[in-house]
Amino acid sequence: EVQLVESGGDLVEPGGSVRLSCAASGFTFMTYRMHWVRQAPGKGLEWVSDINTDGSSISYADSVKGRFTISRDNARKTLYLQMSSLTAADTAVYYCVKEGRYMSAVPFDFWGQGTLVTVSS
Amino acid sequence: DVQMTQSPSSLSSSVGDRVTITCRASHDISGYLNWYQQKLGRAPTLLIYLTSTLHSGVPSRFSGVKSESNFTLTISRLQPDDLATYFCQQTFISPPTFGQGTKVEVK
Repeated sequence: EVQLVESGGDLVEPGGSVRLSCAASGFTFMTYRMHWVRQAPGKGLEWVSDINTDGSSISYADSVKGRFTISRDNARKTLYLQMSSLTAADTAVYYCVKEGRYMSAVPFDFWGQGTLVTVSS
Repeated sequence: DVQMTQSPSSLSSSVGDRVTITCRASHDISGYLNWYQQKLGRAPTLLIYLTSTLHSGVPSRFSGVKSESNFTLTISRLQPDDLATYFCQQTFISPPTFGQGTKVEVK
């Protein structure tokens, strides 16, 4: 059974930093691209970042570029998101997401339960 | 970025009704359209990928189709368990983008 367990969400002051972790199990972590997706309270889904299997290809949403860093440790089967220079607009539940491979399609086939980051003074 | 426009933003239907949700992309996304279900307080789950293929374990009352530039999610006979918000997503052009969601209420 695929499991993605996020941790690290916290109440952070504006301008602060936090690191999210996502522990993966139930699949061969090192062979799948992974994503972070966030959802502000009462709002829709926003893709944040993704990383390929060996970390050599990374993308970010414009809204977080230069402030967030995605990484992964395949030996530990863990995905990370280092977040800095946080603002209230970054307040959201952050989901760790596995990208699937189905023929030519790459849907987001498994999601973690999410971890809440609140940016407030 | 590809903008995904979903409609309606919310709807209310009775158990057993047929429900349709539409999603339109601002650019050609071929058939690379996915649908997700998100129940209150839970993470999204994948329902359909590549326009019409049901993900493992998804009930057959869910279906997806493309007509010209519109993608449609249909629930053939609404069940109480279908109370949720539904999101479309395109994964054809990076970055992947989502529709704003359709909240489905069951009368």
